[in-house]
Amino acid sequence: KAGVTQTPRYLIKTRGQQVTLSCSPISGHRSVSWYQQTPGQGLQFLFEYFSETQRNKGNFPGRFSGRQFSNSRSEMNVSTLELGDSALYLCASSVSVVDMNTEAFFGQGTRLTVV
Amino acid sequence: AQSVTQLGSHVSVSEGALVLLRCNYSSSVPPYLFWYVQYPNQGLQLLLKYTSAATLVKGINGFEAEFKNSETSFHLTKPSAHMSDAAEYFCAVSAGGKLIFGQGTELSVKP
Repeated sequence: KAGVTQTPRYLIKTRGQQVTLSCSPISGHRSVSWYQQTPGQGLQFLFEYFSETQRNKGNFPGRFSGRQFSNSRSEMNVSTLELGDSALYLCASSVSVVDMNTEAFFGQGTRLTVV
Repeated sequence: AQSVTQLGSHVSVSEGALVLLRCNYSSSVPPYLFWYVQYPNQGLQLLLKYTSAATLVKGINGFEAEFKNSETSFHLTKPSAHMSDAAEYFCAVSAGGKLIFGQGTELSVKP
């Protein structure tokens, strides 16, 4: 069974540009969540999608957006990049809501560097 | 709001020594708790999760954690550290369908 696939693994962008990251969840998983990991702020929740609907959103500016397709694949987009957006972006997939019976499986992440 | 606190951002042990990584949670209801491990340049791998079926939870790679509601703790232990255990460890609680993570503890293992 294939795991969570994130592409690309590494990305370098210039301030002001926009970027799109992709996540393919485990087959059969309908929930996809995105997290930002930085040395200063740690792991922070961005948003969660289930069956193409955003169910939950973290405390990030509107420059961060996402979507989910009918095949459960998800993309996140960051517009007008800032230096502070440099981070490891992690995608997690789960069958449904993460609780004691449902766990989240993470991809290897996309390392975004903004210069 | 639910949260988790990991005491100690860095822990160093000798190979073969006991590993103890601390996690305390704040929750007014029984929480859904997890421990994840992250190796360099990798994503997060689930070590174990608290399911309320048992207070002592066994995970992968010889790790286990004990849920103590009276102390609001879910500390991670391993009797004997291996060099391959060197990584960053995260405690997390599930809240409203999202995971809230602690700040992480980096474990170093000395030969």
